[in-house]
Amino acid sequence: DQQVKQNSPSLSVQEGRISILNCDYTNSMFDYFLWYKKYPAEGPTFLISISSIKDKNEDGRFTVFLNKSAKHLSLHIVPSQPGDSAVYFCAATSGTYKYIFGTGTRLKVLA
Amino acid sequence: DAGITQSPRHKVTETGTPVTLRCHQTENHRYMYWYRQDPGHGLRLIHYSYGVKDTDKGEVSDGYSVSRSKTEDFLLTLESATSSQTSVYFCAISLGSGRASSTDTQYFGPGTRLTVL
Repeated sequence: DQQVKQNSPSLSVQEGRISILNCDYTNSMFDYFLWYKKYPAEGPTFLISISSIKDKNEDGRFTVFLNKSAKHLSLHIVPSQPGDSAVYFCAATSGTYKYIFGTGTRLKVLA
Repeated sequence: DAGITQSPRHKVTETGTPVTLRCHQTENHRYMYWYRQDPGHGLRLIHYSYGVKDTDKGEVSDGYSVSRSKTEDFLLTLESATSSQTSVYFCAISLGSGRASSTDTQYFGPGTRLTVL
């Protein structure tokens, strides 16, 4: 049973516009959430995270929003750049180091 | 970049043969992990280690064993490889300060692409 779901396998966005990547989870014990970015032939790299005590965390062009009642988080990238084209994974943990990852969303930013 | 290397980077082997993948870190991080990445499944945890000789199973541990005799090395062994173990394998490390946080996240190695014929 998939505890962390990314229902959109792919997303295309025009350069300069906003990219919104979504993630849903089912386990109410999750209290820390992360986004990783992955380029082809490389390992995932940490992008941004959020604790369940917050509903928003911002880092430059990247903002993560958490809606605990809906068990939903989203990653906003504004403005989107061609270098943002990658696969994005959301992950969740219940306070431990064991992350549960989603299946990933491939973002393509069109120049 | 975190000092994580994986070897080999690519391997083709035959069904039934043993395979060992190596992860080496220079960061002196306490925790080390092995994941596999497959289309439609994302990243799934195979095994992890929270110290020398201390290991535990992840969600897809069947058919895999691990060993950690030194802080810097974490080995993943497929005792008898099967075609279902064809995958990309990633090693990760984390500081292990006590709780996941923005300053204690997992850092990933470059991956090993394994093909079992």
